[in-house]
Amino acid sequence: EVQLVESGGGLVQPGRSLRLSCAASGFTFDDYAMHWVRQAPGKGLEWVSGISWNSGSIGYADSVKGRFTISRDNAKNSLYLQMNSLRAEDMALYYCAKGPGYSSGWYDYWGQGTLVTVSS
Amino acid sequence: NFMLTQPHSVSESPGKTVTISCTRSSGSIASNYVQWYQQRPGSSPTTVIYEDNQRPSGVPDRFSGSIDSSSNSASLTISGLKTEDEADYYCQSYDSSNHGVFGGGTKLTVL
Repeated sequence: EVQLVESGGGLVQPGRSLRLSCAASGFTFDDYAMHWVRQAPGKGLEWVSGISWNSGSIGYADSVKGRFTISRDNAKNSLYLQMNSLRAEDMALYYCAKGPGYSSGWYDYWGQGTLVTVSS
Repeated sequence: NFMLTQPHSVSESPGKTVTISCTRSSGSIASNYVQWYQQRPGSSPTTVIYEDNQRPSGVPDRFSGSIDSSSNSASLTISGLKTEDEADYYCQSYDSSNHGVFGGGTKLTVL
């Protein structure tokens, strides 16, 4: 059974940093692309960032480019999102999502999300 | 980049059929596959349609997807509506770099 468990969310002041993690199990992690998708309270889904199976292809939404960094550790079956210079508009539930292939633009499994609150 | 536009809300009675549209603003709808995700209140999204018209195992055949190049849109059709289908539905596609694009979501009410 595919499981994606996010962690690392919490309350952070504007301008500060936070690192999210996603622990994956139930599949061969290094065979699949992974993504972060967020959802602001009461709003829709927004793709944040994606990384291919071997980290050779990485992409970011314009809204986070230059501030967020996605990475993965295939030996630890883990995905990360380093978030710097956080803004109020970054406040959201952050989902880790698995792609169906090595480098894919959609998501076949989602985690439960970790909540990031940005407030002074 | 392109945008995907969905109706904000739709409603229909149990047992009926509803169709949710998703219109791509620029570039061909056929350029990249379209997916549909269901999100029930308080839950994570789940995939109900992938690659325009494919159903994951476990998704009932009441759910179907299609694309229409003439209107540059995709559609999700749910037949034999059940109260359990009440949820938010999001269409999603991606660009040539696999950057994801979501529609704004459609709230389906089954009344």
